Amino acid sequence: GAVVSQHPSRVICKSGTSVKIECRSLDFQATTMFWYRQFPKKSLMLMATSNEGSKATYEQGVEKDKFLINHASLTLSTLTVTSAHPEDSSFYICSVAGTYEQYFGPGTRLTVT
Amino acid sequence: KQEVTQIPAALSVPEGENLVLNCSFTDSAIYNLQWFRQDPGKGLTSLLLIQSSQREQTSGRLNASLDKSSGRSTLYIAASQPGDSATYLCAVSFGNEKLTFGTGTRLTIIP
Repeated sequence: GAVVSQHPSRVICKSGTSVKIECRSLDFQATTMFWYRQFPKKSLMLMATSNEGSKATYEQGVEKDKFLINHASLTLSTLTVTSAHPEDSSFYICSVAGTYEQYFGPGTRLTVT
Repeated sequence: KQEVTQIPAALSVPEGENLVLNCSFTDSAIYNLQWFRQDPGKGLTSLLLIQSSQREQTSGRLNASLDKSSGRSTLYIAASQPGDSATYLCAVSFGNEKLTFGTGTRLTIIP
């Protein structure tokens, strides 16, 4: 399967600042990537579908102006959390759409103080 | 709206026992179903993928079954080991590549 990396693995930022999370597909051309968030002891919730060269499709209830997604190449999608607040603290995981399944990155732990 | 439920939410069993984790979904028109494990603070590891036309898949000590008509899947773990302790998630897709995740079962194997 595809190897997916995320950077950073862990980030702490102050309230009001923006933070960018990168998701890279290391050995697979990723036309489609997904971004999920996971609260402690909860399941994964899909935030948006990221398509290379076009605008992301956001799930209902996800603010597109707050969670900016850019998928400029077949190997990289970025999620920028703008004007972060403590309630944005979460575990963010990306995935790459393969032929039959998704391949997941290791996740990024965001803590907003 | 598809809902995916996993029962039990938490399970503790002695090492060596066989166990079954359950996953149920409300819409049977799925494309495939996947089982994942997640260790604390980590990403997801794919365990088994079952296509909608399949009834089961096996990998080592793991066996996953799928019954679309009843909206159920089970993950059977044989001869459990302490290293099997993790959270197990099932997820279904409808062919549009989106995955809907279950609520998860936190498994603890007692040495």
